[in-house]
Amino acid sequence: AQSVTQPDARVTVSEGASLQLRCKYSYSGTPYLFWYVQYPRQGLQLLLKYYSGDPVVQGVNGFEAEFIKSNSSFHLRKASVHWSDSAVYFCAVSARTEGADRLTFGKGTQLIIQP
Amino acid sequence: EAAVTQSPRNKVTVTGGNVTLSCRQTNSHNYMYWYRQDTGHGLRLIHYSYGAGNLQIGDVPDGYKATRTTQEDFFLLLELASPSQTSLYFCASGRNTLYFGEGSRLIVV
Repeated sequence: AQSVTQPDARVTVSEGASLQLRCKYSYSGTPYLFWYVQYPRQGLQLLLKYYSGDPVVQGVNGFEAEFIKSNSSFHLRKASVHWSDSAVYFCAVSARTEGADRLTFGKGTQLIIQP
Repeated sequence: EAAVTQSPRNKVTVTGGNVTLSCRQTNSHNYMYWYRQDTGHGLRLIHYSYGAGNLQIGDVPDGYKATRTTQEDFFLLLELASPSQTSLYFCASGRNTLYFGEGSRLIVV
């Protein structure tokens, strides 16, 4: 079965600083990997996704993530954070289980931006 | 844009009560999902479906039933609600890229 680990429950960053949110996955096959963002009192929205090809994928609002197969990681990065980036970020892996696709999420990382 | 609508948005019920959470999508997606979100656990998959009449068991199915009546509609049923089912429930549709509803907050007292 697949699983996702986000080791940091909370990350605090100063506005304008760079950001990395960590994600490691476990899946025996070829993974489809995702980052979703949840703003307060909302559902989740897709930030970016990786299916194949270039291991560095670009997302919305200046976010990017790098797939490193040897490390089973898919860390999220941003060069300069803005206060509006405050949210909870979820890493997810998609896998086929018993003939059906399912998405498994990590526990999420709450990002706090300090002025 | 994809649309997923959940109802009710908020619900309070008593222990042992009967609750139905509804979800409708207008995206023509085959796949639909029910997740619960709890602090410290993230999102956990309860049930999902890849078409009308189909039902797949997720990771935390105990105490929940689900039914997919049409391609658009997916229901989550709690027939004997317990306080441990107090949570924020999300419905989603799509395959790999999911579109989420705004959530249904359930409190069981």
